[in-house]
Amino acid sequence: GAVVSQHPSWVICKSGTSVKIECRSLDFQATTMFWYRQFPKQSLMLMATSNEGSKATYEQGVEKDKFLINHASLTLSTLTVTSAHPEDSSFYICSARPSVGRAETQYFGPGTRLLVL
Amino acid sequence: KQEVTQIPAALSVPEGENLVLNCSFTDSAIYNLQWFRQDPGKGLTSLLLIQSSQREQTSGRLNASLDKSSGRSTLYIAASQPGDSATYLCAVSTNAGKSTFGDGTTLTVKP
Repeated sequence: GAVVSQHPSWVICKSGTSVKIECRSLDFQATTMFWYRQFPKQSLMLMATSNEGSKATYEQGVEKDKFLINHASLTLSTLTVTSAHPEDSSFYICSARPSVGRAETQYFGPGTRLLVL
Repeated sequence: KQEVTQIPAALSVPEGENLVLNCSFTDSAIYNLQWFRQDPGKGLTSLLLIQSSQREQTSGRLNASLDKSSGRSTLYIAASQPGDSATYLCAVSTNAGKSTFGDGTTLTVKP
């Protein structure tokens, strides 16, 4: 149980286009989901906290207009990288925190690798 | 602001050795601590989760300890195997669910 999926697993796009990444909790409901970014040879950095039915909370230095987050249901959060540029190339990982039960932990998705040409 | 440090950054050992990876954090007000494994180009695999009230967790050849007051955790790997080669990440979480990750320890186990 407690599986989180991400789609797509990898994407290559041209500079200037927008890319949408989905994060789904497959067998539990998640009021809160988190988006992380990992640059090569670096660790994961929290980008934003996604709350179902409300606006996302962004970490300092993360542009909310560039990284649009929508958490329209208890099992789905999306991250849209708008007008992507090569410096946005990174590994994006989401995690989901169960609404009930083991709410003290969070489960991570497999990640989405984005390459912007 | 929470900071997580992992030492060493890289470690190379011969197969069969027991080894210890270290993780330290600056703010002891954590909710839990988690150890992950990450293979090159892949996502995270959760290894062990220790709640703030716990001292250690064990899974197979892995044992993780937590000393919250001193801001330290260790991951002990017994009888290392080449398949254990990966980057090991330590992450501490607040009760709101936010996680702060260390930079990881890259382990190489030589046959």
